[in-house]
Amino acid sequence: DTEVTQTPKHLVMGMTNKKSLKCEQHMGHRAMYWYKQKAKKPPELMFVYSYEKLSINESVPSRFSPECPNSSLLNLHLHALQPEDSALYLCASSQGPKGGGNQPQHFGDGTRLSIL
Amino acid sequence: KQEVTQIPAALSVPEGENLVLNCSFTDSAIYNLQWFRQDPGKGLTSLLLIQSSQREQTSGRLNASLDKSSGRSTLYIAASQPGDSATYLCAVRGLNTGGFKTIFGAGTRLFVKA
Repeated sequence: DTEVTQTPKHLVMGMTNKKSLKCEQHMGHRAMYWYKQKAKKPPELMFVYSYEKLSINESVPSRFSPECPNSSLLNLHLHALQPEDSALYLCASSQGPKGGGNQPQHFGDGTRLSIL
Repeated sequence: KQEVTQIPAALSVPEGENLVLNCSFTDSAIYNLQWFRQDPGKGLTSLLLIQSSQREQTSGRLNASLDKSSGRSTLYIAASQPGDSATYLCAVRGLNTGGFKTIFGAGTRLFVKA
């Protein structure tokens, strides 16, 4: 069983809808990440939160809005998405973004998003 | 800019074979290198993590090595089984970005035939 839980597992939405993806971990990790993965491609980093503060935004369009309400939760708010945004969205966590090099990232099973 | 390359892109072997997957990276200033497994439509499962100061890590039938100076890592799978069929990704966490960024290779798709 994965220690990072993502909901929903699947989401279909129209281009005018507003929806949110949720990620939760209870491992006491203080860094959380959002990745986007297209079919047969590697994951690409979107956002990094460290101690509930946004540390990295990889020039992601504003139609994606991340939120970290507490150390265990990470949300990704979606609005006015485009068909090319259809992908698997993965959440990950680690003890911290750095510090000793011995901190693996733990991934959830992802949310498969389809934009109609 | 860190680039991570995995060779081969795909591999098909009969059950029981020992095999090696390769990963190379261009910037040796790394915190660690992590090997993942991904089944179709699923998330990533961490297999092994090698810190920059380490040379290898082992877990069961898996052994991963790291040669930081040459920018290479290998994942050795002993006595392969059909259940090993999956995509294997290597990922490098860079020092130059404060340890925030992980760059993935494109993966090796492995198929083990029964």
